[in-house]
Amino acid sequence: DQQVKQNSPSLSVQEGRISILNCDYTNSMFDYFLWYKKYPAEGPTFLISISSIKDKNEDGRFTVFLNKSAKHLSLHIVPSQPGDSAVYFCAASPTGTASKLTFGTGTRLQVTL
Amino acid sequence: NAGVTQTPKFRVLKTGQSMTLLCAQDMNHEYMYWYRQDPGMGLRLIHYSVGEGTTAKGEVPDGYNVSRLKKQNFLLGLESAAPSQTSVYFCASTLRQGARAFFGQGTRLTVV
Repeated sequence: DQQVKQNSPSLSVQEGRISILNCDYTNSMFDYFLWYKKYPAEGPTFLISISSIKDKNEDGRFTVFLNKSAKHLSLHIVPSQPGDSAVYFCAASPTGTASKLTFGTGTRLQVTL
Repeated sequence: NAGVTQTPKFRVLKTGQSMTLLCAQDMNHEYMYWYRQDPGMGLRLIHYSVGEGTTAKGEVPDGYNVSRLKKQNFLLGLESAAPSQTSVYFCASTLRQGARAFFGQGTRLTVV
């Protein structure tokens, strides 16, 4: 039972354009959501997070949107840069669970010149 | 500042052999975690610890044991390795509940 789903295994975007990565979840107890970025042969690195009391969080070129009624979140990268090429994981955690993260399967983003 | 360090980075085991993966963090974090990453499945939680001397099971704990004798270290043991345990293992730590997790660089384990 995949509680966090990233239905697009890959995405290709031109440099300078917007990248939109999507994530859906099924567990209503999730109230904290994170995006991690992973380069080959490295561990995931934290990118941005959002709690369920917000519907948007912005950090530089990265913005995460949360739609609780649809159980959907998205990561927008504007403008996309070649260095953004990586695998992006969506993760979620319910309150009071020792921050145990449930991860999606990841989306591989390729930013082309 | 090293952050989260995993030892070893690579290992090949024969079926039935045992080994221990070491995770060390120098950030004084309370919570530590072991995940495995398999193709098409994202990262799945094996075991975790909410403080020195504590451990708890995650989503896929079978075949693994853990220990947290010191706050900075979290050990993952495989008593009798099986080919199904071929995976990339990641250790992570967080300062407190709700804080973001920092990950190690991973250990690629192959069981033949």
